[in-house]
Amino acid sequence: EPEVTQTPSHQVTQMGQEVILRCVPISNHLYFYWYRQILGQKVEFLVSFYNNEISEKSEIFDDQFSVERPDGSNFTLKIRSTKLEDSAMYFCASSFDRNTDTQYFGPGTRLTVL
Amino acid sequence: QKEVEQNSGPLSVPEGAIASLNCTYSDRGSQSFFWYRQYSGKSPELIMFIYSNGDKEDGRFTAQLNKASQYVSLLIRDSQPSDSATYLCAVDQTGANNLFFGTGTRLTVIP
Repeated sequence: EPEVTQTPSHQVTQMGQEVILRCVPISNHLYFYWYRQILGQKVEFLVSFYNNEISEKSEIFDDQFSVERPDGSNFTLKIRSTKLEDSAMYFCASSFDRNTDTQYFGPGTRLTVL
Repeated sequence: QKEVEQNSGPLSVPEGAIASLNCTYSDRGSQSFFWYRQYSGKSPELIMFIYSNGDKEDGRFTAQLNKASQYVSLLIRDSQPSDSATYLCAVDQTGANNLFFGTGTRLTVIP
């Protein structure tokens, strides 16, 4: 069964450093998403991406964040200058259809900012 | 502010019983409603989605939607210990398939 994959599974970084989280969505999916979940809190929407541009973004997704689809398979989330409060589990998701399909989540990347 | 509310629990039920999980949402324009299961340290796993008022059944799971009351629920029949997890209610509030999640209800099924 096709699945969303994410690398690395765990990333440890120093405050102020840049990190790139990587995702490989399901191959025929067209819509891509990033969510985050701070430990013990709810899953929060960050950004959606379609046709090589951002469709929607939340208030969390400020100028420190960017997304990119550098090739035909990868979808990345970059955090330019990490803060302690960026420590969270980051989930990538993909879907085939915007309005009626459901999103399939990857296993997540746990980001720890020291 | 748009909200999705769930009782955080924990909810404990004996094996074989019916577990009832509830969720309310604030945005009347919400169109699609989802129930995800999340085991500790894992990603959300879709259980069911529902778009129309009424009940939708899939195996041991039944989702119920009442848009007038802005209420969606999940019933789990014949609960098993393997059902022990956090159940997340998610709502597509904008019609753009960007999901807004509740905080989840932790369910424990006691053998």
